[in-house]
Amino acid sequence: KQEVTQIPAALSVPEGENLVLNCSFTDSAIYNLQWFRQDPGKGLTSLLLIQSSQREQTSGRLNASLDKSSGRSTLYIAASQPGDSATYLCAVTTRVNRDDKIIFGKGTRLHILP
Amino acid sequence: ETGVTQTPRHLVMGMTNKKSLKCEQHLGHNAMYWYKQSAKKPLELMFVYSLEERVENNSVPSRFSPECPNSSHLFLHLHTLQPEDSALYLCASSQEWRPGPMETQYFGPGTRLLVL
Repeated sequence: KQEVTQIPAALSVPEGENLVLNCSFTDSAIYNLQWFRQDPGKGLTSLLLIQSSQREQTSGRLNASLDKSSGRSTLYIAASQPGDSATYLCAVTTRVNRDDKIIFGKGTRLHILP
Repeated sequence: ETGVTQTPRHLVMGMTNKKSLKCEQHLGHNAMYWYKQSAKKPLELMFVYSLEERVENNSVPSRFSPECPNSSHLFLHLHTLQPEDSALYLCASSQEWRPGPMETQYFGPGTRLLVL
């Protein structure tokens, strides 16, 4: 059974620091892995999608890596800003009993201190 | 603007009420989804529709009844809900229903539901 775990559950860092969010999954047979951002009371916004054949994706100050063999992904945020404060969710697309499913972690709640 | 809208944004209902949540996508996508997000739990997929046909139903209680009259609109009809059904209900859409290697989903802002 595929399980997605995100550690830590919450993180506070001073503005300007670089930081890393972690995601792990139990079954390496995935199609892709996505990182989403969710602001309080709002829907999800897709940040980066890494296909299973890729090792990383970059968008601006964000860099996501994927190591399928170890079941891990990291989201690196450079030069953090207060506007980066949000919950970051990791999700893998995988096959479960002949169906494709997206399985989410519980998220990491990030707070950037001004 | 995500291109996916949901109404109402907030809803309070009693256990004997009947209400409906509405989702509309303006992206020309063929697949639409309902998710439930409860406090301290991962996002849970409830239903998937592709070209107006239900293709997934993840063991959701019958008090939740989805309807997809066309590829742009999705409803979730609610009746005789329980307090534990209080949650954020998110709608999403994607180009196709199979989340293949290049697929991503676009989410609406959600409906915050409170069942008293």
